[in-house]
Amino acid sequence: EDQVTQSPEALRLQEGESSSLNCSYTVSGLRGLFWYRQDPGKGPEFLFTLYSAGEEKEKERLKATLTKKESFLHITAPKPEDSATYLCAVGEETSGSRLTFGEGTQLTVNP
Amino acid sequence: NAGVTQTPKFQVLKTGQSMTLQCAQDMNHNSMYWYRQDPGMGLRLIYYSASEGTTDKGEVPNGYNVSRLNKREFSLRLESAAPSQTSVYFCASSRRVGTGSSYEQYFGPGTRLTVT
Repeated sequence: EDQVTQSPEALRLQEGESSSLNCSYTVSGLRGLFWYRQDPGKGPEFLFTLYSAGEEKEKERLKATLTKKESFLHITAPKPEDSATYLCAVGEETSGSRLTFGEGTQLTVNP
Repeated sequence: NAGVTQTPKFQVLKTGQSMTLQCAQDMNHNSMYWYRQDPGMGLRLIYYSASEGTTDKGEVPNGYNVSRLNKREFSLRLESAAPSQTSVYFCASSRRVGTGSSYEQYFGPGTRLTVT
């Protein structure tokens, strides 16, 4: 059974204080790892897809990396508008286009 | 280009009442999904439709039915609502795996359902 575990559950940062969120996964064959951002009262918003170990993707202050067991979402010099819940999901080779989601990390960036 | 739209945005039902949640996408995606999101449980797949004409159960299908009306529309029906179905419901769509394209899912804004 696919498993996705995100840590920490919640993270408070000061503006400008860089940090990383973790997504550990267990799948028999990884088809893709996905990061989403979710604001309160909204649907998840797609950020990145990573397909193989060693791959990296960047968007503004966010950088996602992937190993064979986990993915990190690095946030460099965050701003208050980066406050949101960040969700990680995995696609497994025998599951078609279905994804298994982690429970998310709630990030708060204080000014 | 509206992406994924859902109606209604909010709904309050009494136990035993029925209702249908509507979802439509304008991205020409083959696959569509219904999830529920509860505190501490994350997003859980209720039903999905890999392509027009097919539907399959997800992780938590009991108490729900779905209809893939056409390529654009995928509805979720609660025949006899229960308080345990109080949740936020999200519809999503994606390209189909195997087409050579990426298959990230795009989500609608959600329906907040309360069953009393």
